[in-house]
Amino acid sequence: KQEVTQIPAALSVPEGENLVLNCSFTDSAIYNLQWFRQDPGKGLTSLLLIQSSQREQTSGRLNASLDKSSGRSTLYIAASQPGDSATYLCAVKGSYNTDKLIFGTGTRLQVFP
Amino acid sequence: DVKVTQSSRYLVKRTGEKVFLECVQDMDHENMFWYRQDPGLGLRLIYFSYDVKMKEKGDIPEGYSVSREKKERFSLILESASTNQTSMYLCASSREGLGYGYTFGSGTRLTVV
Repeated sequence: KQEVTQIPAALSVPEGENLVLNCSFTDSAIYNLQWFRQDPGKGLTSLLLIQSSQREQTSGRLNASLDKSSGRSTLYIAASQPGDSATYLCAVKGSYNTDKLIFGTGTRLQVFP
Repeated sequence: DVKVTQSSRYLVKRTGEKVFLECVQDMDHENMFWYRQDPGLGLRLIYFSYDVKMKEKGDIPEGYSVSREKKERFSLILESASTNQTSMYLCASSREGLGYGYTFGSGTRLTVV
């Protein structure tokens, strides 16, 4: 059974820092991995989608990498801003011909001025 | 801009009421999903649908049912609401195929009193 873990559970950093959020998964047979952002009391906003054949994806100040063989993904946020404060979730679409996503429990990020 | 729309942001219902949560997507996606999100438990899949009039149980279907009469609309039904169904409910959709990501709605915060 696929399990997705995100460490740390919470992170507090000063504005301007570059930071890395980690996501690990137990079964490397995945089709893709998706990073989401969730603001308090809101839905999930998709940030980046990485296919299993890709090593990384970039969008603005965000860069996500994928290492399938080691079961890891990282989300790199450059020059963090207070507006980046949110919970970040990763999710994998696994094997066995299913369209279901398996979610991690998230990293709650606070960027203070 | 493509969208998944959940009809209510906040709902308060009484124990024993029948509750309908509505979700509409405008992307012609085949797959639709209902999750609930609780602190410490993450996102848990309730039901999903691969096509009109098709439905599949997720991880926690007890106490819920669903309806998909049209491709764009997926309804979650609480047959007799209970206080342990107080939660954030999130609807998502995706195109059929393993390479596609999810798009989420903005969520419905349901409180059962």
